[in-house]
Amino acid sequence: GENVEQHPSTLSVQEGDSAVIKCTYSDSASNYFPWYKQELGKGPQLIIDIRSNVGEKKDQRIAVTLNKTAKHFSLHITETQPEDSAVYFCAASKYNNNDMRFGAGTRLTVKP
Amino acid sequence: GAGVSQSPRYKVAKRGQDVALRCDPISGHVSLFWYQQALGQGPEFLTYFQNEAQLDKSGLPSDRFFAERPEGSVSTLKIQRTQQEDSAVYLCASSLLTPNTEAFFGQGTRLTVV
Repeated sequence: GENVEQHPSTLSVQEGDSAVIKCTYSDSASNYFPWYKQELGKGPQLIIDIRSNVGEKKDQRIAVTLNKTAKHFSLHITETQPEDSAVYFCAASKYNNNDMRFGAGTRLTVKP
Repeated sequence: GAGVSQSPRYKVAKRGQDVALRCDPISGHVSLFWYQQALGQGPEFLTYFQNEAQLDKSGLPSDRFFAERPEGSVSTLKIQRTQQEDSAVYLCASSLLTPNTEAFFGQGTRLTVV
């Protein structure tokens, strides 16, 4: 089955700096790669996703890149703000989305 | 409701007790998922429903875990004879049937087995 690895497990940056989180996946059939943000006591919330027919997607301060050949994808947050502090999860799934597998998470701390 | 609703938010069970966790998905969402999230870990897939049909239960850790969605809307995850290793947050998510669409998560139920 699919195996998703995520690193780093913790990341601390100064406000205004950029943060990068990287994930690799094992199943070449996976074609949907969402990123979720989870705040304390809440369920994960989708922040951005990318499908295998594109290499990069951007939404304001957040961008995701995908390298299907190398089977890795990354989340980039620019101009970080304290409210970006949370746990971020990457995930991968195949066409029917019923087997989405998550990485172990990255705890991001943005210091004011 | 506007989002996925789970109840109870917190559940403390004595070892050996049976528990039932409820999920109310977003109205009209055909797909429903259950995940188990241990402390400091990512969500682990348990089971998936499409309407009332349980199409994938490969993630259920043992036969003590049982899930149902009899009318294709509300779902219940039942854990029999709970054990300490069952302590975790149980997350429910729902999505439209269209492949690769956003899965909306509930806040989860934190189960503590003592």
